[in-house]
Amino acid sequence: IAGITQAPTSQILAAGRRMTLRCTQDMRHNAMYWYRQDLGLGLRLIHYSNTAGTTGKGEVPDGYSVSRANTDDFPLTLASAVPSQTSVYFCATGTSGGDTDTQYFGPGTRLTVL
Amino acid sequence: GQNIDQPTEMTATEGAIVQINCTYQTSGFNGLFWYQQHAGEAPTFLSYNVLDGLEEKGRFSSFLSRSKGYSYLLLKELQMKDSASYLCAVRDSNYQLIWGAGTKLIIKP
Repeated sequence: IAGITQAPTSQILAAGRRMTLRCTQDMRHNAMYWYRQDLGLGLRLIHYSNTAGTTGKGEVPDGYSVSRANTDDFPLTLASAVPSQTSVYFCATGTSGGDTDTQYFGPGTRLTVL
Repeated sequence: GQNIDQPTEMTATEGAIVQINCTYQTSGFNGLFWYQQHAGEAPTFLSYNVLDGLEEKGRFSSFLSRSKGYSYLLLKELQMKDSASYLCAVRDSNYQLIWGAGTKLIIKP
């Protein structure tokens, strides 16, 4: 693994179905983030984790849940998908606590909910 | 509320210079970032400013004025590969990034 991987690359999902988006990193970064990106809007933070074992809510957390059992993995779950969750989802990592704390992004998952 | 404003789209000519502006109103300020995002790809880090002034990195420079809530990204000697969206983001008092909607830059030969 080099950097950040996300799976699946894209998915079409029926409304009401449960879906987990996977994110794995090998950068040993403490912080991980989930964003959604919609046309005409900036990236919006869904959930974040500053370190393994802790999670927090971002700007748009409703309908999503996360877990952080270890440093490398940060899955995002949609319990019951709705069409408004159609979006491109990016996972990102950061060093947390540093002056720059630059965030590095995975390749994204394009999700369509019908 | 928190707000990041940047132009939706700009057009420039190959070899020229372009300046992309970003104004912000956020609860607290702990640095401003510029990212580049090619269509269908992930954002990639370009620059970081936390103090007033100009930071230069090759063909790209970024300027910050905290008192004016203003930044710009300057791209020199434009190349076709610079066609992309440029995202401005501010780290607020909670150390979360607040993102602008991005500026789509179109480069013409």
